[in-house]
Order: sequence, then structure tokens, then C-alpha cells
Amino acid sequence: AQTVTQSQPEMSVQEAETVTLSCTYDTSENNYYLFWYKQPPSRQMILVIRQEAYKQQNATENRFSVNFQKAAKSFSLKISDSQLGDTAMYFCAFPPKGGTASKLTFGTGTRLQVTL
Amino acid sequence: DAEITQSPRHKITETGRQVTLACHQTWNHNNMFWYRQDLGHGLRLIHYSYGVQDTNKGEVSDGYSVSRSNTEDLPLTLESAASSQTSVYFCASSPGTGGETQYFGPGTRLLVL
Repeated sequence: AQTVTQSQPEMSVQEAETVTLSCTYDTSENNYYLFWYKQPPSRQMILVIRQEAYKQQNATENRFSVNFQKAAKSFSLKISDSQLGDTAMYFCAFPPKGGTASKLTFGTGTRLQVTL
Repeated sequence: DAEITQSPRHKITETGRQVTLACHQTWNHNNMFWYRQDLGHGLRLIHYSYGVQDTNKGEVSDGYSVSRSNTEDLPLTLESAASSQTSVYFCASSPGTGGETQYFGPGTRLLVL
């Protein structure tokens, strides 16, 4: 079975600091996509960043970047210069089979609190 | 602007009643999905569709059904609501060309008494 594991149920970071959320997954596929979604208190699911497994370069989106280690099946999210608006649940997601993202399996999430 | 909407946003129903949750997207996406979100479980896939007349079961499909009669809509029906189906339900869509992002609706909070 394809699985996604987020081992940090809760994390806290001070404003302007950097925090890294971890995610590991299991797959026998070679080409696939990985996603980080953010769910703020409004409950809306918002895409943060996407990584294509065949690309060597780690994806970046402004203050958000990933550390993708394919051999280790690790996909961590780094948030730089944390802001109060980053307070949210963060979910790692991964398509269970095949090279498309047509279905996603989600981790159980990491609740991030950004404090003053 | 294109969007994905869900209705109702909140619903309270009684055990044994049939309930239908609506999902409508205006992106003309081929793929549509229904997830439920419960504490400690993240989001779990209930049903999904890759196009009109196509429906498939996800990992937690028991007690739920969907139908896809057009591109825009994928209603989710709880045939006989149970307390275990109290949850937050999310609809999502994606273009269907492979590797693309899923876009989520705002969610429906369902309480089964």
C-alpha cells in the first residue's frame, strides 16, 4: 500500500524564523508528483507547493521550499521568514499509484502555530 | 472567475435519512473527487470520477454513492446517514491531463444525530 507519513502532529515557530515540516512516503513508482497543501482556520485547502519526482531541482514558491530526497522517499517543507498567516494545518499528499496526480493520499497533517 | 462550490456548507440530519451534498465546478475539469476529513485521519478519498458517466470507489466508499451526469457536477449521496458519517466533506477537481493540482471546494460540515 502507498502511504504518506507526517511524524510531527504539532509544531510551533516564532515569527520571522524558519521551520521545516517533514513528510515521508512509500512507493514503487519512479515518476510521480508530491504536494504540500495548507489548511488555515477557514478550512479551505490551498496548494502550497508541488514537486515532480523526475526533477532534480527542489521546488520553491517564495518563502516556501522543499527538500526532496527521492532515494530516501522524503519530502520536507521549509517555511522561511514565518508569518502569522502561515498558522495552519499542513498536509503532505501523494498519488498512490502511477505518474499522475489523479488520486491523492494525504498524510495526517502537521498543525503549525506561528507566534509573536 | 472559475471556481468550485459546495452546498450546503453546514447540515444537520438524523440517522437513517438520505442526504445529498452538492459539488459544482466551472473549470471544465475532467476529474472530480470527494474526500472526508476527520481528526487524526487527514483527508480520505470517498469516490472519484474521471469524466461523465465514470465513477470509482475510494478507500472509504461504504455508505456513499456518486453519479456524474455532466462535467460540472458530482453530487455525493449518503444512502442512509449514520453517526459515523459525521465529518467535514471536501470536493475537489483537477484537469485530468496527469500530474496536475487538485482544487478544493470550501467544504461541507455534516452532523448526523
